[in-house]
Amino acid sequence: NAGVMQNPRHLVRRRGQEARLRCSPMKGHSHVYWYRQLPEEGLKFMVYLQKENIIDESGMPKERFSAEFPKEGPSILRIQQVVRGDSAAYFCASSPQPTSSANYGYTFGSGTRLTVV
Amino acid sequence: AQSVTQLGSHVSVSEGALVLLRCNYSSSVPPYLFWYVQYPNQGLQLLLKYTSAATLVKGINGFEAEFKKSETSFHLTKPSAHMSDAAEYFCAVSVPGGGADGLTFGKGTHLIIQP
Repeated sequence: NAGVMQNPRHLVRRRGQEARLRCSPMKGHSHVYWYRQLPEEGLKFMVYLQKENIIDESGMPKERFSAEFPKEGPSILRIQQVVRGDSAAYFCASSPQPTSSANYGYTFGSGTRLTVV
Repeated sequence: AQSVTQLGSHVSVSEGALVLLRCNYSSSVPPYLFWYVQYPNQGLQLLLKYTSAATLVKGINGFEAEFKKSETSFHLTKPSAHMSDAAEYFCAVSVPGGGADGLTFGKGTHLIIQP
């Protein structure tokens, strides 16, 4: 049973380009969470999605960032017109239930490290 | 809203010595509390969690943590440090029924093990 799969592991983009980060949740998990980790910082919640629905995007920057979790395929975090400040590690987590953060402390992927040059 | 404070961004101990990583939380309702470990270039792995059952929680790799409501603390301990324990440790809090907001993490403590 594969864990949460994120790809790519490392992504380099020039300023102004688009970055697409993919997350395939664990089998049987329909709830996906995205977090961002800046250097010397803890993880900051970005967005919580269920299949085809955004449940909570209170942590997402208002511009340039979007997320989706289609009926088929992985969840995608998309960053348009990247800037140097977007350089960070982006982690995805999945759970089988919506409140599983309380009961399970959900499962994290290994992250995508985005570098904007 | 809940918050977590981890005292000490870096903690250094000798191999075989006691490990103590401090975590204090703030929450308006009884929280759920977690400790995660992150090895270099890896994702986060759950060490242990407190979900309102026993206040002394045992986790993987010999770690344990005690929930102290009066002190609003959830410190992580291990009796004898091993070189393989060197990693970043994160304390996190969530509130029951608040899963939509995800976990709130502390800034992390980098544990250094000296030979």
